Amino acid sequence: EAGVVQSPRYKIIEKKQPVAFWCNPISGHNTLYWYLQNLGQGPELLIRYENEEAVDDSQLPKDRFSAERLKGVDSTLKIQPAELGDSAVYLCASSFKGSGSRTGELFFGEGSRLTVL
Amino acid sequence: QQQVKQSPQSLIVQKGGISIINCAYENTAFDYFPWYQQFPGKGPALLIAIRPDVSEKKEGRFTISFNKSAKQFSLHIMDSQPGDSATYFCAATLANAGGTSYGKLTFGQGTILTVHP
Repeated sequence: EAGVVQSPRYKIIEKKQPVAFWCNPISGHNTLYWYLQNLGQGPELLIRYENEEAVDDSQLPKDRFSAERLKGVDSTLKIQPAELGDSAVYLCASSFKGSGSRTGELFFGEGSRLTVL
Repeated sequence: QQQVKQSPQSLIVQKGGISIINCAYENTAFDYFPWYQQFPGKGPALLIAIRPDVSEKKEGRFTISFNKSAKQFSLHIMDSQPGDSATYFCAATLANAGGTSYGKLTFGQGTILTVHP
């Protein structure tokens, strides 16, 4: 079974430029998460989707960040314009909402590492 | 309060020794406490998790001890191996009724474990 796929793995941009990250969750997983992980820190939730609906975006800086999950499968996270402080790893995760012994378990992708110069 | 505090920041253990990582939480409504393991360049992966209705859970060499009254939980790695060298994150969240969905995982700051051969 394929895991959560993210791209690009690495991105270097200059400040004020736009950037977009893409995530393909595990097939059948209806919940998708975007987390931000700063160096040496634990991940912090940016946004959570249940199918196409963003059910928790309270931590998403909406002035420059946007996300979408069209058709309830793939998702894109965009930053425009990027700032120096946005340099971090952006992690996508997915989970299945249903029955089972480990239902709800979050499966993370390998992340997209952003460097803003 | 949503914080989860984790200690130590780093830990060095000899092969065959016991690794112990501690976490404390503030929100008494939390009812699901997972531990994640993260290798460099990879996303976090679920290691083991516990609910507050039990005081201990063991899976192979990994054990979670949970103290509800003290609002603390810990990860014990028995017979630590060099392959266990990674960053470990504790986390906490509210599971919905039936435990089929987990919303916002609040992560600790992480512990870098190094196991010397």
